[in-house]
Amino acid sequence: DGGITQSPKYLFRKEGQNVTLSCEQNLNHDAMYWYRQDPGQGLRLIYYSQIVNDFQKGDIAEGYSVSREKKESFPLTVTSAQKNPTAFYLCATGAGKFISNQPQHFGDGTRLSIL
Amino acid sequence: AQSVTQLDSHVSVSEGTPVLLRCNYSSSYSPSLFWYVQHPNKGLQLLLKYTSAATLVKGINGFEAEFKKSETSFHLTKPSAHMSDAAEYFCVVRAGGGATNKLIFGTGTLLAVQP
Repeated sequence: DGGITQSPKYLFRKEGQNVTLSCEQNLNHDAMYWYRQDPGQGLRLIYYSQIVNDFQKGDIAEGYSVSREKKESFPLTVTSAQKNPTAFYLCATGAGKFISNQPQHFGDGTRLSIL
Repeated sequence: AQSVTQLDSHVSVSEGTPVLLRCNYSSSYSPSLFWYVQHPNKGLQLLLKYTSAATLVKGINGFEAEFKKSETSFHLTKPSAHMSDAAEYFCVVRAGGGATNKLIFGTGTLLAVQP
């Protein structure tokens, strides 16, 4: 069935280590997004991609990197430069920039913690 | 610039009583507005959306919201709360006009439903 799969559900990172969060979709959506959620702060946009092989920084991109080599996949790497990575990370998809007023669809998230 | 303000961080109701979750928005153009719900450790699920059609929008699970331009409000209501409605609710506005589907999230309202 159609949907967004985020893995793993829980992830632990050691100091100085890079970790990669996976996001895969079979909704055939052009746009994909990564958000970070902290208690009491709503969702903040990290990176987004409107089309394959193209992506843009969101509001809090420092310490993160992404790639978009396939339409179905948009992995997020949390680098050692991100000093406060503990958060709940949500991946979302959307219909793309030429189709406005459409909602985004969300995966079930990955919870990242520091060891 | 677009923004949303959720006026209550926590709301507590008794089962069977009405629910009111308040949201004010700011937008330079005719906005697209959404309400999402999030259950613990889950992604966000779309409840309803307003995109300049009818001002009273009906969503899933008996929720509805009314767009009031004069008050710049988009409050979420439900006539009778159910225990399963206990969750966090986010009011969201689409950022910018033209070809973008970036979203701006409120800080959330946590709804508790007492038996």
